[in-house]
Amino acid sequence: EVQLLESGGGVEPPGGSLRLTCAASGFTFSSYAMSWVRQAPGKGLEWVAAISSSGGSTFYADSVKGRFTISRDNFQNTLYVEMNGLRAEDTAVYYCVTETLSYVAGYWGQGTLVIVSS
Amino acid sequence: DIVMTQSPDSLAASLGERATISCRSSQNVYYSPSNKNYLAWYQQKPGHPPKLLVYWASTRESGVPDRFSGSGSGTDFTLTISSLQAEDVAVYYCQQYYSTPPTFGQGTKLEIK
Repeated sequence: EVQLLESGGGVEPPGGSLRLTCAASGFTFSSYAMSWVRQAPGKGLEWVAAISSSGGSTFYADSVKGRFTISRDNFQNTLYVEMNGLRAEDTAVYYCVTETLSYVAGYWGQGTLVIVSS
Repeated sequence: DIVMTQSPDSLAASLGERATISCRSSQNVYYSPSNKNYLAWYQQKPGHPPKLLVYWASTRESGVPDRFSGSGSGTDFTLTISSLQAEDVAVYYCQQYYSTPPTFGQGTKLEIK
């Protein structure tokens, strides 16, 4: 059974930093591209960042480019996103997703809530 | 960026009734060399993450009931629930994966009348 378990969310002031972690199990992690998709409270979905199976290629939404860094450890089956320069508009539930097709989110974690507030 | 627009924003239908959700993309998401439409549908039930229902505009994900069907091509797409069940209450999102950034529609909230 595919499991994606996010952690690392919390409350940070504007300008702060957080690192989110996604522990993956139940599938061959190193064979799949992975992504982070976020959902602001009561709002829709936004694809934030993606990383290829090898980690050699990444994508960032313009809204986070230069502030967020996605990475992965294929030995530890873990996905990360380092979030710097946090803004109020980054407040959202962040979902770790497995791309079963390129930019198709076949599996989702339960999400971790990030709140940016002073 | 490709803008995805869903209609309606909310929909109420009776149990057993057909429910139809539309999705329009601001650009063509059909890729002729592969003969595929790069369009997916997701279902999000309250308090849960989204779940993939349909990809390639009309291919049901494994385990998705056959009352869910996707159709359309180019810029106009439809998700149809043939006979609404109580467990289908959710927000439904379309998403294009033709080009980056991948973008979602604003969502359609489906309720029981």
